[in-house]
Amino acid sequence: GENVEQHPSTLSVQEGDSAVIKCTYSDSASNYFPWYKQELGKGPQLIIDIRSNVGEKKDQRIAVTLNKTAKHFSLHITETQPEDSAVYFCAASTRNTGNQFYFGTGTSLTVIP
Amino acid sequence: DGGITQSPKYLFRKEGQNVTLSCEQNLNHDAMYWYRQDPGQGLRLIYYSQIVNDFQKGDIAEGYSVSREKKESFPLTVTSAQKNPTAFYLCASSQWDNSPLHFGNGTRLTVT
Repeated sequence: GENVEQHPSTLSVQEGDSAVIKCTYSDSASNYFPWYKQELGKGPQLIIDIRSNVGEKKDQRIAVTLNKTAKHFSLHITETQPEDSAVYFCAASTRNTGNQFYFGTGTSLTVIP
Repeated sequence: DGGITQSPKYLFRKEGQNVTLSCEQNLNHDAMYWYRQDPGQGLRLIYYSQIVNDFQKGDIAEGYSVSREKKESFPLTVTSAQKNPTAFYLCASSQWDNSPLHFGNGTRLTVT
């Protein structure tokens, strides 16, 4: 089955700096890659997603890039703010597995004011 | 507002007892999922259902059971056979293949 690896597991940045989280996947049939933000005691919330027919997608301070050849995708957060502090998860899915999502192990991001 | 409701938020049980976690959605989504979250291990799939009266085992189904009698509801029973049931349980739903998951706010189960 699919295997998603995520790095780093923890990340601290100064407010205003950029943060980058990277994920790799193993199944070349995976074609949908969402990113989730989870705040303490809550469920994950979708923040951005990308499909395999697109190389990059941007939404204000958040962007995601996808390299299908290398099977990796990354989350970029620019001009970080303290409220960006949370745990971020990447995921991959494919129709071949009945819409099962495979998650990375998460990155705990701390933005230092 | 549309969304997924999990109840209760906190649940305490004695070892050897079965316990059922509730999940209700009013998003009219066909697919529903149960994930277990443990520190440092991300989200692991327990069961999922793509349609009423049908469900499939995920990666860690042993010691759990589910039912899907209604589109809106997907309760999870943690049985006494689950060796390490203390965890944070997340329910999710999605509209169709390769569409985003929408999560509830979870139930934290503690078994002593």
